Amino acid sequence: KQEVTQIPAALSVPEGENLVLNCSFTDSAIYNLQWFRQDPGKGLTSLLLIQSSQREQTSGRLNASLDKSSGRSTLYIAASQPGDSATYLCAVSSTTDSWGKLQFGAGTQVVVTP
Amino acid sequence: DGGITQSPKYLFRKEGQNVTLSCEQNLNHDAMYWYRQDPGQGLRLIYYSQIVNDFQKGDIAEGYSVSREKKESFPLTVTSAQKNPTAFYLCASSTPRGGLINTEAFFGQGTRLTVV
Repeated sequence: KQEVTQIPAALSVPEGENLVLNCSFTDSAIYNLQWFRQDPGKGLTSLLLIQSSQREQTSGRLNASLDKSSGRSTLYIAASQPGDSATYLCAVSSTTDSWGKLQFGAGTQVVVTP
Repeated sequence: DGGITQSPKYLFRKEGQNVTLSCEQNLNHDAMYWYRQDPGQGLRLIYYSQIVNDFQKGDIAEGYSVSREKKESFPLTVTSAQKNPTAFYLCASSTPRGGLINTEAFFGQGTRLTVV
């Protein structure tokens, strides 16, 4: 069974520093990987979707890389701002499942201090 | 604007009572999902549906039921058989896999259910 792990569980950085969030998965037979942001008491906002054939995706200050063979993805957030404070979750969809079900990590809680 | 609407935002359930959580989407997505989120844990799949009148159990379906009578709607009923229903419930939708279709998943704003 696919297992998704996010380390660290929590992270605090001063404003302006770059953020590096890690996601690892045990089964490399993935269809895609998606990064989400969740604010307290809110739903999930999709940040980036990486197909299994891609190595990275970029959107503004966000860059996500994917190394399928080693079972890892990294989300980089450049020049962090207090508004980036949130919980970040990664989720994978497996090739063995045609329904698009997602397996989630527990998330990394990020605090950016002014 | 296209999106997913969940209601209500907060719901309180008495012991032995069934409650229904609403999920509506106007993204024209075929697939819809219900997830449960508990503090410090990742989201866990309750039920999912790819087409109207068809749905499948996820990892934690016991004590829950769903229906899919319309493409846009996927309500979740939390029955009295669910012994620990207090949690944050999230509904999602996506297009089914195939070819170059973008299967990005989108989520609603969630419903917080509390047993009183």
